[in-house]
Amino acid sequence: GNSVTQMEGPVTLSEEAFLTINCTYTATGYPSLFWYVQYPGEGLQLLLKATKADDKGSNKGFEATYRKETTSFHLEKGSVQVSDSAVYFCALSVTGTASKLTFGTGTRLQVTL
Amino acid sequence: KAGVTQTPRYLIKTRGQQVTLSCSPISGHRSVSWYQQTPGQGLQFLFEYFSETQRNKGNFPGRFSGRQFSNSRSEMNVSTLELGDSALYLCASSAGHDGYTFGSGTRLTVV
Repeated sequence: GNSVTQMEGPVTLSEEAFLTINCTYTATGYPSLFWYVQYPGEGLQLLLKATKADDKGSNKGFEATYRKETTSFHLEKGSVQVSDSAVYFCALSVTGTASKLTFGTGTRLQVTL
Repeated sequence: KAGVTQTPRYLIKTRGQQVTLSCSPISGHRSVSWYQQTPGQGLQFLFEYFSETQRNKGNFPGRFSGRQFSNSRSEMNVSTLELGDSALYLCASSAGHDGYTFGSGTRLTVV
């Protein structure tokens, strides 16, 4: 089956620090990969995506590269801000199946001044 | 363009009652999926509808059901509510595998 494994949180960083949140996956088929962010009391917002190997998704300073050889899709940001504090979810969907996202457990990020 | 709209935002129900949640997808999106989010189980897929047909179903009991109307709006129903059904219920609409846009969710509390 399909599964996503994320690093455990919470992750606490000082403002302007470098961020990495690890994500690895297992998929039967060829997946598309996503990072979603959830702010307190809100739904999920798509942060970035990649649909094929070696693609790099990027948005708002966040980046992630689809690595098929290591089945990974790690999220990075060079300089975090307090406003980046949220829960980040890695997810996949497999082409050819009905629309269904498989999520990781989420990683809470807290950025302090 | 308008996003995914879920109503109501908050709901409090008593054990044994039933509840209906509504989701209006982005205009032109024909796929609507539902997810349950709880602290213990995380985000779990409930079901997906496409052109009024259930296309995929997660591992939930039959108390959880849904439907989709001809205008792509979707409802999900939970009958005989249990305390463990307390959760944030999220709806997502999609035009394909490139992306899923989520609504703000309905927070259901069962007392």
